[in-house]
Amino acid sequence: QVQLQESGPGLVKPSETLSLTCTVSGGSMSTYSWNWIRQPPGKGLEWIGYFYYTGKTNYNPSLKSRVSMSFDTSTNHFSLRLTSVTAADTAVYYCARELTPNYAVGAFDVWGQGTPVTVSS
Amino acid sequence: QSVLTQPPSASGTLGQRVTISCSGSRTNIGRNTVNWYQQLPGTAPQLLMHSDNQRPAGVPDRFSASKSGTSASLAISGLQSEDEGNYYCAVWDDTSQGPVFGGGTKLTVL
Repeated sequence: QVQLQESGPGLVKPSETLSLTCTVSGGSMSTYSWNWIRQPPGKGLEWIGYFYYTGKTNYNPSLKSRVSMSFDTSTNHFSLRLTSVTAADTAVYYCARELTPNYAVGAFDVWGQGTPVTVSS
Repeated sequence: QSVLTQPPSASGTLGQRVTISCSGSRTNIGRNTVNWYQQLPGTAPQLLMHSDNQRPAGVPDRFSASKSGTSASLAISGLQSEDEGNYYCAVWDDTSQGPVFGGGTKLTVL
């Protein structure tokens, strides 16, 4: 059974770069798309982007200029980098797997528990 | 403001049937399949329904979903106290080329 676990600093200063890692255990990273989703305090969900095991990435247009994702299949980690952060980037960040191999339709069947990130000086 | 519109709140009594709507457009619900998530307090979202009306393994058949045109709905029958939480619809949007979420509906069991 695949499990995901996010990790990274809980506090980031404004204008700096947020870096998070998601560890995949219990399964292979191939054939699926791997996503980052965030949820500001008291608010709804926002898809950040995904990467596909072939190396293809797709980012939310509203964040595209500041986002990058990468993965390391040898360690089963995939990562998120968000540059030039502001208070608006304060949120719980989740990593999640798309349900169906080779598809990206917004059906995420495996989620990490989420990691809270606060942007503050 | 979300691309998909959901009522901010819904409520029902124990055993009752409630429905939650999700309104979109031809570039999202009108062309692609709808997914629903349940988020219980303090937990990560959980996939509740996918492909318009399919339940993942382990989801009770009290939960059902449907779609018509550019709108979708989630129905919960035999409402239980543990159903209290937030519910989100999500669908691929052809304009933004990515999945979009509704603003969420907070379900209260009276």
